[in-house]
Amino acid sequence: QQQVKQSPQSLIVQKGGISIINCAYENTAFDYFPWYQQFPGKGPALLIAIRPDVSEKKEGRFTISFNKSAKQFSLHIMDSQPGDSATYFCAASMQAAGNKLTFGGGTRVLVKP
Amino acid sequence: GAGVSQSPSNKVTEKGKDVELRCDPISGHTALYWYRQSLGQGLEFLIYFQGNSAPDKSGLPSDRFSAERTGGSVSTLTIQRTQQEDSAVYLCASSLDGYLYEQYFGPGTRLTVT
Repeated sequence: QQQVKQSPQSLIVQKGGISIINCAYENTAFDYFPWYQQFPGKGPALLIAIRPDVSEKKEGRFTISFNKSAKQFSLHIMDSQPGDSATYFCAASMQAAGNKLTFGGGTRVLVKP
Repeated sequence: GAGVSQSPSNKVTEKGKDVELRCDPISGHTALYWYRQSLGQGLEFLIYFQGNSAPDKSGLPSDRFSAERTGGSVSTLTIQRTQQEDSAVYLCASSLDGYLYEQYFGPGTRLTVT
């Protein structure tokens, strides 16, 4: 059972554009939602994370929007740069369960100069 | 100190052999996690350590997989009698604790079973 569904699988955006990645989860017990960025040959790196008591969190060009009632959250990358070209994973976890991460399937983002 | 380190970075082994993968977490991090990344299955959880104990082993795919952690630090993931479907990147992550803090990933060990 896929508990976190991520879309799209890939996207191409022009430099300066906005990249939007969406995730939906099933388990309402999840209480921590991080996004990871992964470059080829590297481990995932934490980008930004949100807890369900807030609806939006912004860090620099990266924003998470969270909709608890719809069980959805999304990542917006503003002013996309070629260096943002990477695979992005959403994830979810429960603090009470040791925070083991359940990942979405990943989105490969290509930013064209 | 430095981030999470893993060794070896690459491992090629023959089907049926045993392999050991090592993870050195960030100093002071009490929680340690193993994940597996493969084309078919994506990123999946294997096992979680809090200190030297493993309260959650639910992601280990079979009894050929085991892991231990000693001294609240280094962890070893062992795969016995490797199969071709074990080919994947094995990732280790550590966290200050298993409840409130972010997980930081190592670079992974790419395992190829021939």
